[in-house]
Amino acid sequence: AQKITQTQPGMFVQEKEAVTLDCTYDTSDQSYGLFWYKQPSSGEMIFLIYQGSYDEQNATEGRYSLNFQKARKSANLVISASQLGDSAMYFCAMEDDSSASKIIFGSGTRLSIRP
Amino acid sequence: KAGVTQTPRYLIKTRGQQVTLSCSPISGHRSVSWYQQTPGQGLQFLFEYFSETQRNKGNFPGRFSGRQFSNSRSEMNVSTLELGDSALYLCASSSGGWGAMTYEQYFGPGTRLTVT
Repeated sequence: AQKITQTQPGMFVQEKEAVTLDCTYDTSDQSYGLFWYKQPSSGEMIFLIYQGSYDEQNATEGRYSLNFQKARKSANLVISASQLGDSAMYFCAMEDDSSASKIIFGSGTRLSIRP
Repeated sequence: KAGVTQTPRYLIKTRGQQVTLSCSPISGHRSVSWYQQTPGQGLQFLFEYFSETQRNKGNFPGRFSGRQFSNSRSEMNVSTLELGDSALYLCASSSGGWGAMTYEQYFGPGTRLTVT
């Protein structure tokens, strides 16, 4: 069965520093997609970044990049130059292999940015 | 373009009652998925509706049901509420068509249900 593991329940980071949020996954599929969501206190999930298993380069979207290490089954999110507005819950997720519309989420990491 | 809207935003119900939550997807989107978020179980998929038909279902008891209308708006119903049903219920809309990527789902702000 597929599984997403996020081992950091919470993190504190100083403003303007870079931060890495860890994510490991388990799947028997050869083709899969991994992505990250941000959930502010308001509740809605905001899509950040996507990495396909066959993508040769690590995905980047502005200040977000995904450190994808396929052999280690890890897909860490890196946020460069953190801002106060980055304080939120962050979820690593992947496509369910039985349904293209179903998302499997990790348990999340609460990121707090200190001024 | 208006985003996904969910009503009501907050709800307090008593154990044993039933509740109906509503989700209006982005205009043109035909797929609506529902997720339950609790501190203990995290985010779990409930079901997905596409063109008024349930296309996928998660592992929840029959007390949880849903439907979708011809305008793609969706409702989910929980009957005989239990304390453990207290959660944030999120819906997500997508085009749902062939080739749509899983991550191309847009989430609403959620309905926070408290069962006392």
